Amino acid sequence: DGGITQSPKYLFRKEGQNVTLSCEQNLNHDAMYWYRQDPGQGLRLIYYSQIVNDFQKGDIAEGYSVSREKKESFPLTVTSAQKNPTAFYLCASTKNTEAFFGQGTRLTVV
Amino acid sequence: DAKTTQPPSMDCAEGRAANLPCNHSTISGNEYVYWYRQIHSQGPQYIIHGLKNNETNEMASLIITEDRKSSTLILPHATLRDTAVYYCIVRVRRTNTGNQFYFGTGTSLTVIP
Repeated sequence: DGGITQSPKYLFRKEGQNVTLSCEQNLNHDAMYWYRQDPGQGLRLIYYSQIVNDFQKGDIAEGYSVSREKKESFPLTVTSAQKNPTAFYLCASTKNTEAFFGQGTRLTVV
Repeated sequence: DAKTTQPPSMDCAEGRAANLPCNHSTISGNEYVYWYRQIHSQGPQYIIHGLKNNETNEMASLIITEDRKSSTLILPHATLRDTAVYYCIVRVRRTNTGNQFYFGTGTSLTVIP
């Protein structure tokens, strides 16, 4: 079945360590997105990519980095520069109409 | 950028229609209105979208006012499984950077038995 997969579902890291969240889609979608969600709040855009080898900063890109070497993959690295990394992270992809979301990765930094 | 305003929470009796309002007074002519819902700790699920005309699918109906400054999502017969946070979103399309979806804080709908 086609879809968008995020892994792992839960991730724990020590403060000061970089961590990379995986996002893979087999929908042949050009555009992919990363959002962050904090308790009781909506989704905020971190980075997005419209095509391979191109990506743009969203509203809260500081402390994050991405790459888009393949159409299917859009990994997000949470760096040690991100002040409050503990959050729920959602990846999405879209072609022309609606966006499809993964099931999210809950990152906890201790 | 077009933004949306929604009430933070609503209740609805099981079996009754749930009407979720959304204001998007700064929407531009080529921007679509989308609705998604999110059940706790899962990815948002697409419900419906529209531009000018009212839309209906197997999940819901979308009513957009003539001036496009507001819309209402209607779940015709709410069930307990419809309890979720509902997001009204404007899809902004830019020539250089493509589509962007702007999420607000949504409406937390509780369906009561």
